Amino acid sequence: EVQLLESGGGLVQPGGSLRLSCAASGFSFSNSAMSWVRQAPGKGLEWVSGISSPGDSTYCADSVKGRFTISRDNSKNTLYLQMNGLRAEDTALYYCAKRYSYYFDSWGQGTLVTVSS
Amino acid sequence: EIVLTQSPGTLSLSPGERVTLSCRASQSVSSNYLAWYQQKPGQAPRLLIYGASSRATGIPDRFSGSGSGTDFTLTISRLEPEDFAVYYCQQFGSSLFTFGPGTKVDIK
Repeated sequence: EVQLLESGGGLVQPGGSLRLSCAASGFSFSNSAMSWVRQAPGKGLEWVSGISSPGDSTYCADSVKGRFTISRDNSKNTLYLQMNGLRAEDTALYYCAKRYSYYFDSWGQGTLVTVSS
Repeated sequence: EIVLTQSPGTLSLSPGERVTLSCRASQSVSSNYLAWYQQKPGQAPRLLIYGASSRATGIPDRFSGSGSGTDFTLTISRLEPEDFAVYYCQQFGSSLFTFGPGTKVDIK
């Protein structure tokens, strides 16, 4: 069974940093592209960033470009999202999602990031 | 960037009714790159349909998808109580993913 367990969320002040982690199990993590998708409270889904299976290609939405960095450690079956220069509008539930072809076939339960002074 | 628009924003229906949800793209989308998700309150999204018309594993056959180009549709043939949720379409293009704003299907 695929399991994706996010952690690292919390309350941070504007301008601050946070690193999210996603521990994966139940599938071949090193052969799977992954992404982060977020959902602001009461709002829709927004794709944030994606990474290829070996980790040599990364992509991100314009809204986080230059501030967020996605990475992975295939030896630890873990996905990361380094978030710098956080803003109030980054407040959201951050999901880790396993990519299959051009879709996301498995999702974690999310970790909440709140940016507030 | 391709923008997805979903209509209507909210639908109030009764169990047993047929539902048709619309997803329109600002530019043509390959059918291979169009998916639908269901999200219930407090839960992560669940993949329903991929490739515009293929059901994901374990999805009941009352869910079906169709469409091409800029117009796509998700149909629920007969609403079950567990189908009341928010539905999102999603597309892939130029190495980026975008989601539609969602359609909420609630109980009338």
